[in-house]
Amino acid sequence: AQKITQTQPGMFVQEKEAVTLDCTYDTSDPSYGLFWYKQPSSGEMIFLIYQGSYDQQNATEGRYSLNFQKARKSANLVISASQLGDSAMYFCAMRKGDDKIIFGKGTRLHILP
Amino acid sequence: DAGVTQSPTHLIKTRGQQVTLRCSPKSGHDTVSWYQQALGQGPQFIFQYYEEEERQRGNFPDRFSGHQFPNYSSELNVNALLLGDSALYLCASSPLGTSGRLFGSGTRLTVV
Repeated sequence: AQKITQTQPGMFVQEKEAVTLDCTYDTSDPSYGLFWYKQPSSGEMIFLIYQGSYDQQNATEGRYSLNFQKARKSANLVISASQLGDSAMYFCAMRKGDDKIIFGKGTRLHILP
Repeated sequence: DAGVTQSPTHLIKTRGQQVTLRCSPKSGHDTVSWYQQALGQGPQFIFQYYEEEERQRGNFPDRFSGHQFPNYSSELNVNALLLGDSALYLCASSPLGTSGRLFGSGTRLTVV
């Protein structure tokens, strides 16, 4: 079955430290895409970063990078130099071959001052 | 340019009633998807609309139906509301066939 697994329900990180949020996925489709979204308490899902299954290089967007290990089926999000405003829920998601997007259960990140 | 707008932001309904939620996609986006996010869970795909037709559907009963208008805006209708329908309902828009999904802030539905 196609699914996304996020094993960290919550994380506490000191401000300015780097943080890695784990995500593993399972799919038999050769073509797929992986996303990370941030959801603050307001509810809006904010797009952070995207990695296509055929992309050779890891995606980066400012302080966000995606550590894509295709053979291990993992797509971890790395946030460098964390800030207080990074405190939120983070969801890993996968676009399947049929264009549907499935989400993991999320990781709640707390940045400590 | 406004992104995806949803209305209303909050809604309280009684079990058995019907509800309609609305979504206006970002300008230039012709595809609208709806998601249900229960408390403490990730969003679950309900369905996707393109050219006023339902293209894809997730594992939701027929009580959940939708519509897309010629201006690409969309409605989500839920009939015979159950307590378990209480959730944040998110709308996302995109150009057809692209990977990105731009989400709105959602409608929080409470069924009592």
